[in-house]
Amino acid sequence: AQKVTQAQTEISVVEKEDVTLDCVYETRDTTYYLFWYKQPPSGELVFLIRRNSFDEQNEISGRYSWNFQKSTSSFNFTITASQVVDSAVYFCALTGGSYIPTFGRGTSLIVHP
Amino acid sequence: SAVISQKPSRDICQRGTSLTIQCQVDSQVTMMFWYRQQPGQSLTLIATANQGSEATYESGFVIDKFPISRPNLTFSTLTVSNMSPEDSSIYLCSVEETPNEQFFGPGTRLTVL
Repeated sequence: AQKVTQAQTEISVVEKEDVTLDCVYETRDTTYYLFWYKQPPSGELVFLIRRNSFDEQNEISGRYSWNFQKSTSSFNFTITASQVVDSAVYFCALTGGSYIPTFGRGTSLIVHP
Repeated sequence: SAVISQKPSRDICQRGTSLTIQCQVDSQVTMMFWYRQQPGQSLTLIATANQGSEATYESGFVIDKFPISRPNLTFSTLTVSNMSPEDSSIYLCSVEETPNEQFFGPGTRLTVL
């Protein structure tokens, strides 16, 4: 069975602070994919990144960066110099042998001006 | 990525009534999915809808309550039948463009009084 744990329910920061959202996963599959999605207050789920289990390179996209570590089964997401527009719920998800993703419970990020 | 639209974007309904949600994709896709997101919760898969066959429902969801149609490769509907306040949720459709990568529609925010 697959499991995704986002232990941080809510994080509150002040604009320009860096913030890291944690994601820990469990799977028995040797090939799997990890995702991050952003859900702003409008409700739409916005795809941010997909990473497969064979690619442990960290990724940077503007102010966003992702740290994938198979040794600790973690796929953490860092926002550098946070902005108010980053306020949203962020979901980590995992797919393995099944195409059906397992979602974490989400982390609500609140960025104060 | 595919452009996905949903109608209605939001609705307020009376208990006992039914609502049909439409999901339209701008390209042909084999697999479409319907999710429910209850307030403050993560996403739960309701069913997988393939064109030309009956939808496959996840545990806890039944066809009588959530009938689904998939008349062609670009369109699907989900009906929430005999609604109760517990059905108040965001309903999202998604498509799988590449293996293990799902993109989501903007969601339908349903409130049942």
